[in-house]
Amino acid sequence: EAQVTQNPRYLITVTGKKLTVTCSQNMNHEYMSWYRQDPGLGLRQIYYSMNVEVTDKGDVPEGYKVSRKEKRNFPLILESPSPNQTSLYFCASRGHLSGEAFFGQGTRLTVV
Amino acid sequence: AQSVTQLDSQVPVFEEAPVELRCNYSSSVSVYLFWYVQYPNQGLQLLLKYLSGSTLVKGINGFEAEFNKSQTSFHLRKPSVHISDTAEYFCAVREQPNTGNQFYFGTGTSLTVIP
Repeated sequence: EAQVTQNPRYLITVTGKKLTVTCSQNMNHEYMSWYRQDPGLGLRQIYYSMNVEVTDKGDVPEGYKVSRKEKRNFPLILESPSPNQTSLYFCASRGHLSGEAFFGQGTRLTVV
Repeated sequence: AQSVTQLDSQVPVFEEAPVELRCNYSSSVSVYLFWYVQYPNQGLQLLLKYLSGSTLVKGINGFEAEFNKSQTSFHLRKPSVHISDTAEYFCAVREQPNTGNQFYFGTGTSLTVIP
């Protein structure tokens, strides 16, 4: 089954403790992205990648890092999480010739 | 940067009544247009998309949308809603050509179907 898989689905952590949210897709897609969803703000792009070793900032990249060492994986790293990063995070992928993005199930992160 | 506006943050509607969810975007270039649905505790699922061709697009679950280039709109419609349509709906835009990856989302419309 074609899918985008994120882990974990839920995460509660403390301020300053480094964390990684993993994202993997099995559709051989070139493009991958991370979004955060906040009430009243919709989805905002954090980072995206157009292929292996090619990444770029989205609209809200501060406090986040990403890497794309393999085509299927695109982890999101929070080096020093802060409470304002409490949010619902989505990973998405898209093939070069496809129009739409395919989304993971989301990761609800709470930073206390 | 693109701007996508969903004017209605909440839309209550009675079961079997018609519904329209509005979406407007700002763009000086050609775009691709999408509607996604998000059920509670789930990811976003594609309802329908406009890439080219006919401006009336049909999607899953009986939804359809019409692309109006002059009004820069892509309103979503369903002639008769069901309880199961209760969800959050997002309009999204991506600029052409097909080499970028920046999707711009509206703030969402929460559709509540009342029995």
